[in-house]
Amino acid sequence: EVQLVESGGGLVKPGGSLRLSCAASGFAFSAYGMNWVRQAPGKGLEWVSCISRNSAYINYADSVKGRFTISRDNAKNSLYLQMNSLRAEDTAVYYCARDVVTVAASDYWGQGTLVTVSS
Amino acid sequence: DIQMTQSPSTLSASVGERVTITCRASQSISSWLAWYQQKPGKAPKLLIYKASTLQSGVPSRFSGSGSGTEFTLAISSLQPDDFASYYCQHEDGYSRSTFGPGTKVDIK
Repeated sequence: EVQLVESGGGLVKPGGSLRLSCAASGFAFSAYGMNWVRQAPGKGLEWVSCISRNSAYINYADSVKGRFTISRDNAKNSLYLQMNSLRAEDTAVYYCARDVVTVAASDYWGQGTLVTVSS
Repeated sequence: DIQMTQSPSTLSASVGERVTITCRASQSISSWLAWYQQKPGKAPKLLIYKASTLQSGVPSRFSGSGSGTEFTLAISSLQPDDFASYYCQHEDGYSRSTFGPGTKVDIK
């Protein structure tokens, strides 16, 4: 069974940092690209970042470029999102999702982890 | 950058009704369009990819159509489990995604 489990969310002050993790199981993690997608309270989905299966290709939304860093460790079946210089507008539930490049869609999603940026 | 819009933003319907949601892209995206369903407090669920291909396990009352800039998600006979929010998404060749703003389907 494919499982994606996010962790690392919490309350952080503006300007602070947080590192999210996503533990993958039930599939060949190294064979898939991965995404981070977030959802602010009461709002829609916003794509944050993607990383190819071998980390060769990485992209970010303009809203997080220069502040967030995506990475992965295929030996540990894990995906990460390092978030620096956090702002109130980064408050959201953060989901990791498995990307199926051949169909340009994310077929499995984690349950999400809440990040709250507030003083 | 490609922008995605959806209409309506909210749709009130009854069980058994046929409903349709429209998604438009600011430029042609061929058939690179996916639809997701999301219930409150839950992760999104992939329903349709490549505009019209039903994801495994998704009921056949869901269907997708369209290409280029205009796409439609249809639910042939709305069921109680279908009251949720629906999002379209375009993923480009660099795996960057853009989501539509969403359509909430609620009970009339």
